[in-house]
Amino acid sequence: GEDVEQSLFLSVREGDSSVINCTYTDSSSTYLYWYKQEPGAGLQLLTYIFSNMDMKQDQRLTVLLNKKDKHLSLRIADTQTGDSAIYFCAERKGGSQGNLIFGKGTKLSVKP
Amino acid sequence: DAGITQSPRHKVTETGTPVTLRCHQTENHRYMYWYRQDPGHGLRLIHYSYGVKDTDKGEVSDGYSVSRSKTEDFLLTLESATSSQTSVYFCAISAGTGVANTEAFFGQGTRLTVV
Repeated sequence: GEDVEQSLFLSVREGDSSVINCTYTDSSSTYLYWYKQEPGAGLQLLTYIFSNMDMKQDQRLTVLLNKKDKHLSLRIADTQTGDSAIYFCAERKGGSQGNLIFGKGTKLSVKP
Repeated sequence: DAGITQSPRHKVTETGTPVTLRCHQTENHRYMYWYRQDPGHGLRLIHYSYGVKDTDKGEVSDGYSVSRSKTEDFLLTLESATSSQTSVYFCAISAGTGVANTEAFFGQGTRLTVV
């Protein structure tokens, strides 16, 4: 199976909160990341979290980490149409020097 | 935008021909990466470089080679293109230091079609 799993699609209404979920498999992953990809563009690093943290907040973004269940989530508050994009979860396998392993991405659609 | 440029942005080539994609950075970052993005697979690492003339294989390196003769340039070569190499290719860079130590900047991608 995939190392990093995400649901493929999420649709929300403008102004609502979006929650994108991710599960990973390597308990030694020290960093976990969220990237955003807008149509026709490369990936943009949104935020990251250390494995010894439970939560990280950055303006409208909140990352929650449940290390026991290897579950990561990204919450976007007050979702805007400009947030429509594909969001990728990624783990760095094998510790801080390992390679990034990406999930397949969750396509977020925001309806006006 | 970070100083990372990929060329060409689009290319159509025939099966069996060699193809070279170029990634150029102006950030003086030590690490450079080549990924491919395919539907249903997310991004997968092809090769990466941790310095001039220092490269290593990633998850899907078969059929690809790389070279880095200067800090700013990382070349990806398909020696004999196959239809399975039709994909979108992304270059990424990382300083390799700092808190996140991650591929923080990605190029805009090269869409390669092998016919």
